[in-house]
Amino acid sequence: AQSVTQPDIHITVSEGASLELRCNYSYGATPYLFWYVQSPGQGLQLLLKYFSGDTLVQGIKGFEAEFKRSQSSFNLRKPSVHWSDAAEYFCAVGPSGGYQKVTFGTGTKLQVIP
Amino acid sequence: DTAVSQTPKYLVTQMGNDKSIKCEQNLGHDTMYWYKQDSKKFLKIMFSYNNKELIINETVPNRFSPKSPDKAHLNLHINSLELGDSAVYFCASSQLDREGTDTQYFGPGTRLTVL
Repeated sequence: AQSVTQPDIHITVSEGASLELRCNYSYGATPYLFWYVQSPGQGLQLLLKYFSGDTLVQGIKGFEAEFKRSQSSFNLRKPSVHWSDAAEYFCAVGPSGGYQKVTFGTGTKLQVIP
Repeated sequence: DTAVSQTPKYLVTQMGNDKSIKCEQNLGHDTMYWYKQDSKKFLKIMFSYNNKELIINETVPNRFSPKSPDKAHLNLHINSLELGDSAVYFCASSQLDREGTDTQYFGPGTRLTVL
């Protein structure tokens, strides 16, 4: 069965500092991987996704993520965090092809301090 | 021009009542979903419909009944509401793209509180 682990429940960074949110997945074949962001009181917004090709994926709002098959990881990064990035971040994994279940991680809450 | 919309945004009701949440998407997607997000932010899929046909039905009490009158709408009806049903319910929609990925787009959520 597929699963996603986000080891960090809560992360605090200073504005302007770099950010890395960790995501590890378990899946038998080549997965599709996603990062979503949820601002307080809002729905989930897709930041980026990986399905094949270049293992470094660029997303919206200056985020990027790197797929590392050997480590079963798909960590999210941003070189310089803005106060507006404070939100909950969810990693998700899904099987390739077809309408099948996407499994979400438990989320990492990002706090940005001035 | 909201892509995925849900009504109501907030729903407060008594135990034992029956309530419905509506979802509409104007993205032209074939597939729609209902998710439940609990107080710890854990997001769990409940149902999925593709072209009005049920394709995913997770272990959900049969008090929950989804209905898809057309592929742009997926409503969720809940009978005999219980305290444990309190959560945020998200609707989502998706469409397979050229690469075969199934990216889901989420609505703003409906916060259900059962008293």
